[in-house]
Amino acid sequence: QVQLVQSGAEVKKPGASVKVSCKASGYTFTSYGISWVRQAPGQGLEWMGWISAYNGNTNYAQKLQGRVTMTTDTSTSTAYMELRSLRSDDTAVYYCARDPHPIRLGEWFDPWGQGTLVTVSS
Amino acid sequence: EIVMTQSPATLSVSPGERATLSCRASQSVSSNLAWYQQKPGQAPRLLIYGASTRATGIPARFSGSGSGTEFTLTISSLQSEDFAVYYCQQYNNWYTFGQGTKLEIK
Repeated sequence: QVQLVQSGAEVKKPGASVKVSCKASGYTFTSYGISWVRQAPGQGLEWMGWISAYNGNTNYAQKLQGRVTMTTDTSTSTAYMELRSLRSDDTAVYYCARDPHPIRLGEWFDPWGQGTLVTVSS
Repeated sequence: EIVMTQSPATLSVSPGERATLSCRASQSVSSNLAWYQQKPGQAPRLLIYGASTRATGIPARFSGSGSGTEFTLTISSLQSEDFAVYYCQQYNNWYTFGQGTKLEIK
């Protein structure tokens, strides 16, 4: 079955970086995109950005431009999201989700990974 | 940025009754709208895309309607497993989510 499995929880200090992985299985990785979405404690969903697993093109949410980088490793069907210069308000559960179109963003998300809790605290 | 506004924030409904959740876009998103269900401690699950198409495996009691700026998710006869938070998402111009509607047992 189609599945996205994310890396485990992280605790980071302010100013540090975190890199979350998302390993895909059950489908042809390069035929889709991957979006990343985060959810602060008790809050709603915030889209962070998208990467094409087909050609590596990316689109990032404006508020995270310059701090986030999304990459893929097609040899292992894994997507990565790195967030730098972490602040306390980056504390959230980070989700990856499969995005149906491989060339452009602009579709729904299905399925989602299980989520990775990133805690930023001194 | 397209702002999505969901109402109400909390909806209290008895099992077996109908629930109607609303989502409004600040500008037209055509039919490029999805609905997700999220239970505590779980990732969101896709229910509806294209405003009205049920995702694979979603029961027929879930239905979506609307286009342009006004959308509705209807759950025809609430089951115990349906009590959760529901989010709408537009994908017409980048992506934005509504703030969610919590569906609770009355």
